[in-house]
Amino acid sequence: AQKITQTQPGMFVQEKEAVTLDCTYDTSDPSYGLFWYKQPSSGEMIFLIYQGSYDQQNATEGRYSLNFQKARKSANLVISASQLGDSAMYFCAMRERGKLSFGAGTTVTVRA
Amino acid sequence: NAGVMQNPRHLVRRRGQEARLRCSPMKGHSHVYWYRQLPEEGLKFMVYLQKENIIDESGMPKERFSAEFPKEGPSILRIQQVVRGDSAAYFCASSDRDYKYNEQFFGPGTRLTVL
Repeated sequence: AQKITQTQPGMFVQEKEAVTLDCTYDTSDPSYGLFWYKQPSSGEMIFLIYQGSYDQQNATEGRYSLNFQKARKSANLVISASQLGDSAMYFCAMRERGKLSFGAGTTVTVRA
Repeated sequence: NAGVMQNPRHLVRRRGQEARLRCSPMKGHSHVYWYRQLPEEGLKFMVYLQKENIIDESGMPKERFSAEFPKEGPSILRIQQVVRGDSAAYFCASSDRDYKYNEQFFGPGTRLTVL
């Protein structure tokens, strides 16, 4: 069964605008961690932001924020003030019992 | 503090040969995870190891694949008798604890091409 679902295969966004990347997850464990990673064309995996299931506040890291809606099991990533360097693949992941389960990813292309 | 190291970065093998992928975790990290990324797909978990122990190998193919993390030295992912379907990027990640909220730090990956 799919644990992480990213329904947007690709998105275009204008430079300086905000973009929201969707992520829903499935787990019966009350305790888990949610992560977002960026994978540019060079291929490395870059950690962006994480949210713990018991965290009361939505996580923020610079231009990245996580819209965590626990009851809906969603953890959307918001990138504000998009830059050309944000063009990459973005993966949502959930950690439970050690391993990370990844979604299929969303390709973001930032237009000048 | 050096990050997670993987070598080689690129590996080309002919069908039937063996591939050995190495991963040195971040200093102080004793938990290592291997993931595989097929072209145009997300990462898939393969195996989770601690020093000298395999903790979870639920994502490892039953045949030809093995992994180890010895007391001394890097973690090794070994693929015997490679086939074209093994062509993928293999990522190693490490963490200092097996804790749900702990970030896993990823290496740059090894891109395996099977001819």
